[in-house]
Amino acid sequence: EDQVTQSPEALRLQEGESSSLNCSYTVSGLRGLFWYRQDPGKGPEFLFTLYSAGEEKEKERLKATLTKKESFLHITAPKPEDSATYLCAVQAGSGGSNYKLTFGKGTLLTVNP
Amino acid sequence: DTGVSQDPRHKITKRGQNVTFRCDPISEHNRLYWYRQTLGQGPEFLTYFQNEAQLEKSRLLSDRFSAERPKGSFSTLEIQRTEQGDSAMYLCASSTPRQEDAPRHRILTQYFGPGTRLTVL
Repeated sequence: EDQVTQSPEALRLQEGESSSLNCSYTVSGLRGLFWYRQDPGKGPEFLFTLYSAGEEKEKERLKATLTKKESFLHITAPKPEDSATYLCAVQAGSGGSNYKLTFGKGTLLTVNP
Repeated sequence: DTGVSQDPRHKITKRGQNVTFRCDPISEHNRLYWYRQTLGQGPEFLTYFQNEAQLEKSRLLSDRFSAERPKGSFSTLEIQRTEQGDSAMYLCASSTPRQEDAPRHRILTQYFGPGTRLTVL
């Protein structure tokens, strides 16, 4: 069974204090690893898709990286508007269930001004 | 592209009542998914449609739940005889443009709607 574990569960930063969120996964045949941002009471907003170890994607203050066992979401010089829950999900390629996403519980990021 | 839309955004009902939610996917997408999310958890897969065919239902989807996608366009999720444990955010997502030469990231990435928050009293 596919498993996704995110750490830490919650992270509090000061504005400008860079840090990283971790997503470790166990899947059989990774098709893609996805990062989403979720604001309270809203649906997940797509950020990145990563396909293979060594791949990196960047968007504004966010950078996602992927290894064979985990992914990191690096946040450089965060601002208060970066406060949200960040969700990691995997899509596996084995068997018939190669379309559903398996999510972690998320990391709640709070950036104080 | 207009995004995925869901209606209603909020629903409060009494235990034992039936409720129905609607999802309109991104117009060019042929795959549609339903997920459920409870407080402090990530979304959990419920069911999946490719065009009008429902190809899989999770074990989370009891007999009280039914989903349809007539004509491969919008989808509905109905919950009969609601229970307090059904209280959650119900999320719809869509993916996979119909054209066969779409780039890989557009095929795999699921785009979510704003969700329907269900509260069962």
